[in-house]
Amino acid sequence: EAGVTQFPSHSVIEKGQTVTLRCDPISGHDNLYWYRRVMGKEIKFLLHFVKESKQDESGMPNNRFLAERTGGTYSTLKVQPAELEDSGVYFCASRALLAHEQFFGPGTRLTVL
Amino acid sequence: GDSVTQMEGPVTLSEEACLTINCTYTATGYPSLFWYVQYPGEGLQLLLKATKADDKGSNKGFEATYRKETTSFHLEKGSVQVSDSAVYFCALIPSYDKVIFGPGTSLSVIP
Repeated sequence: EAGVTQFPSHSVIEKGQTVTLRCDPISGHDNLYWYRRVMGKEIKFLLHFVKESKQDESGMPNNRFLAERTGGTYSTLKVQPAELEDSGVYFCASRALLAHEQFFGPGTRLTVL
Repeated sequence: GDSVTQMEGPVTLSEEACLTINCTYTATGYPSLFWYVQYPGEGLQLLLKATKADDKGSNKGFEATYRKETTSFHLEKGSVQVSDSAVYFCALIPSYDKVIFGPGTSLSVIP
């Protein structure tokens, strides 16, 4: 069974540009989460999808971040326009219904110059 | 709100030394507790978990016991190896909810 995959693995952009991160969850996992670790600090929750619906987006830092999960399969996280403080590692995780464990992807390292 | 506190390190040990990484939590209800590990250049992996009080999680020689009375979930290993060098995150999940992570502890094991 394939794990959670994320693309790209690394992205380097300039301040003001747009970047789109993609996450493919484990097949059949209805729950999909985005987290990020900024500047070596703790990993913080961004948002949670159940299928295509946003269940909880309380961790989204501001309206420069837009997450979508059309069709309830893969998800994208767009940052527009990117700022320096957005640099960090963005993790995606998925979870099966009624399971506790979340399976994490390898992360996307975003560097904003 | 729910939170996790852990020793931040960095921690440097010689091979075969004993490891303890302290972790305490604050939570309402009865969360599940986890240790995740991130090896250099890789993603987050679940190392071990415990879902109720007094449960002991174990994997790859690492152990942690869910202590409700002290709200702790300390990670221990009797003899570390160079390959254990990584960042370790203590975490909790309040229910079927988001993971709440501690700040991470960087461990370096030197030969």
